[in-house]
Amino acid sequence: DIQMTQSPPSLSAAVGDRVTITCRASRRISGDLNWFQQKSGQAPKLLIYAVSSLQSGVPSRFTGSGSGTDFTLTISTLQPEDFATYYCQQTQSAPFTFGPGTKVDI
Amino acid sequence: EVQLMDSGGGLVQPGGSLRLSCAASGFSFSTYSMNWVRQTPGKGLEWVSYISAGGDTIYYADSVKGRFTISRDNAEKSLYLEMDSLRDEDTALYYCVRELWSAGYRLWDYWGQGTLVTVSS
Repeated sequence: DIQMTQSPPSLSAAVGDRVTITCRASRRISGDLNWFQQKSGQAPKLLIYAVSSLQSGVPSRFTGSGSGTDFTLTISTLQPEDFATYYCQQTQSAPFTFGPGTKVDI
Repeated sequence: EVQLMDSGGGLVQPGGSLRLSCAASGFSFSTYSMNWVRQTPGKGLEWVSYISAGGDTIYYADSVKGRFTISRDNAEKSLYLEMDSLRDEDTALYYCVRELWSAGYRLWDYWGQGTLVTVSS
């Protein structure tokens, strides 16, 4: 199984800050790396798929990058509505595993 | 508008059974693969099971293999998860999730609202 880790587990930031979240896979992923945002009481929402492709309707301040085993989600200018928990996920092979999440406090 | 409506959750004793349903609308259900994902405060998000559009390919997480059965009825636009021999650790919020392929990559673009399963005596 491919294990996913994330860092940091949580962070505090101010509106307007640039925020970076890191995700690492236990072995190389060809490109099947996705990022989700989850707000309290809501289902996860797809932000980024295939490492860097922005899902329709997602603001361009969200960008994904990386390759191999190391991946990054960047929020260029943090907005109040970005308070949430962010998860990375690999869909290269079953079981499709998620990272433990990074909670972003504004 | 794409909608996925999860239902069927509830309180069940250890060793008991439960059947979850997911009613789909707003898209051509029979052409999409589907997944079940669960979430607990302690273990975060955990993929549970996958079924292909035609129902001929199925995968399970090791934690539920042999106890859970995924199925679908394309005529009724519904996805199911039959859960048997339930354990305390199966307590979670269960989501059905639509799967889409884009440029050779698998992505999960729509989620249900979730249905809560509580296993407790």
